[in-house]
Amino acid sequence: GENVEQHPSTLSVQEGDSAVIKCTYSDSASNYFPWYKQELGKRPQLIIDIRSNVGEKKDQRIAVTLNKTAKHFSLHITETQPEDSAVYFCAVRGFGNEKLTFGTGTRLTIIP
Amino acid sequence: GAGVSQTPSNKVTEKGKYVELRCDPISGHTALYWYRQSLGQGPEFLIYFQGTGAADDSGLPNDRFFAVRPEGSVSTLKIQRTERGDSAVYLCASTPDRGLNTGELFFGEGSRLTVL
Repeated sequence: GENVEQHPSTLSVQEGDSAVIKCTYSDSASNYFPWYKQELGKRPQLIIDIRSNVGEKKDQRIAVTLNKTAKHFSLHITETQPEDSAVYFCAVRGFGNEKLTFGTGTRLTIIP
Repeated sequence: GAGVSQTPSNKVTEKGKYVELRCDPISGHTALYWYRQSLGQGPEFLIYFQGTGAADDSGLPNDRFFAVRPEGSVSTLKIQRTERGDSAVYLCASTPDRGLNTGELFFGEGSRLTVL
């Protein structure tokens, strides 16, 4: 089955600086790569996603980049704010598959 | 309802007992998923329903776990002879009909199960 690795497991960033989280996956046929944000005690919520026919996607301060050859994708958050503090999960969906396989999460802390 | 609803929000039970967890998806969503999230881990896939049928149950850890969705809406996850290792947050998610599906999973708040 799909294997998803996520790094780092924890990340502390000064407010206003950028944060980058990276995930690697094993199945080269995977075609959908979302990122979810989970605040403490809350449900995971989609913040951005990318499909395999695109290399980069941006939404305001958030961007995701995909390198299909190397089988990795990254979340970039610029101009970080205290409300960005949360756990972030990457996920992967394989071709012809309906389930998402999640990474182990990155706890992001924004230092005021 | 406005979002995915899960009950109970918290369940404490003793080892060996039977537990049912309920999920009420967003109205009109045809696909329903169950995930399990242990402390400090990402959600782990259990089972996926398209309508009333389980289209993929490859994530159920063993035969103590079973899920149903008899009318294609509400789903119940059933755990028999609970073990301490079953303690986790059980998340339900739904998505709309395939033609409208962007890929986003809409999660509920989860049911936190503690087995003593």
